[in-house]
Amino acid sequence: AQSVTQLGSHVSVSEGALVLLRCNYSSSVPPYLFWYVQYPNQGLQLLLKYTSAATLVKGINGFEAEFKKSETSFHLTKPSAHMSDAAEYFCAVNRGNQFYFGTGTSLTVIP
Amino acid sequence: SAVISQKPSRDICQRGTSLTIQCQVDSQVTMMFWYRQQPGQSLTLIATANQGSEATYESGFVIDKFPISRPNLTFSTLTVSNMSPEDSSIYLCSVELATEAFFGQGTRLTVV
Repeated sequence: AQSVTQLGSHVSVSEGALVLLRCNYSSSVPPYLFWYVQYPNQGLQLLLKYTSAATLVKGINGFEAEFKKSETSFHLTKPSAHMSDAAEYFCAVNRGNQFYFGTGTSLTVIP
Repeated sequence: SAVISQKPSRDICQRGTSLTIQCQVDSQVTMMFWYRQQPGQSLTLIATANQGSEATYESGFVIDKFPISRPNLTFSTLTVSNMSPEDSSIYLCSVELATEAFFGQGTRLTVV
C-alpha cells in the first residue's frame, strides 16, 4: 500500500528560524507527492506538489520541498518562519486517483 | 482548479439524530471523496462517490451509517446517521483535478 510517514507530530520554531517538516514515502515507483496546509477551522490548501519534473519544488508562501529518491523523502522547508505559518501540515501521496495522507505535523511559531 | 462549497460549516447535534452535509463543486468531476478528520488526527477516507453508481466505502465505514448521494457531476451529500459522540469530527469533501486534490472548508460536527 502507498503511504507516507511524517516524523514529528509537533514542531516548534522561533520566528525567523528554519522550518523543516519531514515526510518519507513508501513506494517502489516515485509517486505524486504533495504537501497540504490546514489553518485553524479551514479545509486543506495545497502548498506544493511533486510530479516527477524538477526534484526541488517551490510552493506558495516561501515553502519548498526536495524529492530524494535515494532517501524516499519529501521534506518541506522554509528558510525563515513567520507567525502566519502556524498551522497543521500534511504530506500526501497520490496513487490510482486516491490520496493517502500522513498523520500531520502541527507547526508552532514562537515570537 | 476547483472551488468546493461545503455546508454546513459546523453543527451541534443530538445523539441519535442524522446530519446531511452538502458539497457543491464549480466544475464537473467524475469522483468525489468524503473524508473524516477526528480531533488531532489525519484524514481518513470514508468513501468515493461516482455519479450514477453506489459509493465505494473504505474498510470500517458502511452505507447504513454514512449514506452518500451523487445525483450529478457537481454535487454530493454525505449523511451521518444515528449519531453518537464518537462521530464528532470534521468531515471534508474533496475532488481531484490534474492529480491535485481540492477540499471544501469542512463541516465541524459535534454530537452531544
